[in-house]
Amino acid sequence: SQKIEQNSEALNIQEGKTATLTCNYTNYSPAYLQWYRQDPGRGPVFLLLIRENEKEKRKERLKVTFDTTLKQSLFHITASQPADSATYLCALYSGAGSYQLTFGKGTKLSVIP
Amino acid sequence: NAGVTQTPKFRVLKTGQSMTLLCAQDMNHEYMYWYRQDPGMGLRLIHYSVGEGTTAKGEVPDGYNVSRLKKQNFLLGLESAAPSQTSVYFCASTHSGKSSYNEQFFGPGTRLTVL
Repeated sequence: SQKIEQNSEALNIQEGKTATLTCNYTNYSPAYLQWYRQDPGRGPVFLLLIRENEKEKRKERLKVTFDTTLKQSLFHITASQPADSATYLCALYSGAGSYQLTFGKGTKLSVIP
Repeated sequence: NAGVTQTPKFRVLKTGQSMTLLCAQDMNHEYMYWYRQDPGMGLRLIHYSVGEGTTAKGEVPDGYNVSRLKKQNFLLGLESAAPSQTSVYFCASTHSGKSSYNEQFFGPGTRLTVL
């Protein structure tokens, strides 16, 4: 069966450091992976999409990598700031032609000043 | 543009009562979704719609019904609420375009408590 796992429920990091979040998946092909940010009491907000044939994507201080051998995506926030504190969700569409997005349980990031 | 809006924001029901959650989007999106979010379970898809007049089941459809009579609205109904349906409900929408793997736009959520 298809599965998405975000390894850490919570991650604490010092301001200015790089935060790295992990998303692992099984039995998705092809894989189109998205990352969302969710603040308390609000709906998720889309950040980045990376396709199976893309190894890396960047957007300002955000970087996403995709390793299809390991079936893993890494989400990096460089020069982290307290305002980056939020829960980050990875999500995958179920396959070619699918309209269903399946979410991981999320990693709560806290950036400590 | 308001984006995706949800009504109501909060609701408390007694077991057995019924209610309808309304989702509206002003982005002319074809696809709309209803999710529930529970602690430790993440976001789970209840039902979705790929166009006006169409609906389909997601991962956890039992106890819910939906309707998409107008393109901009997607209704989620609970016919006989149960305490297990206590959750935060999110609506989302996305455009079809060339790729179906587009970003989803989420509403602010409805916090439902069933006593």
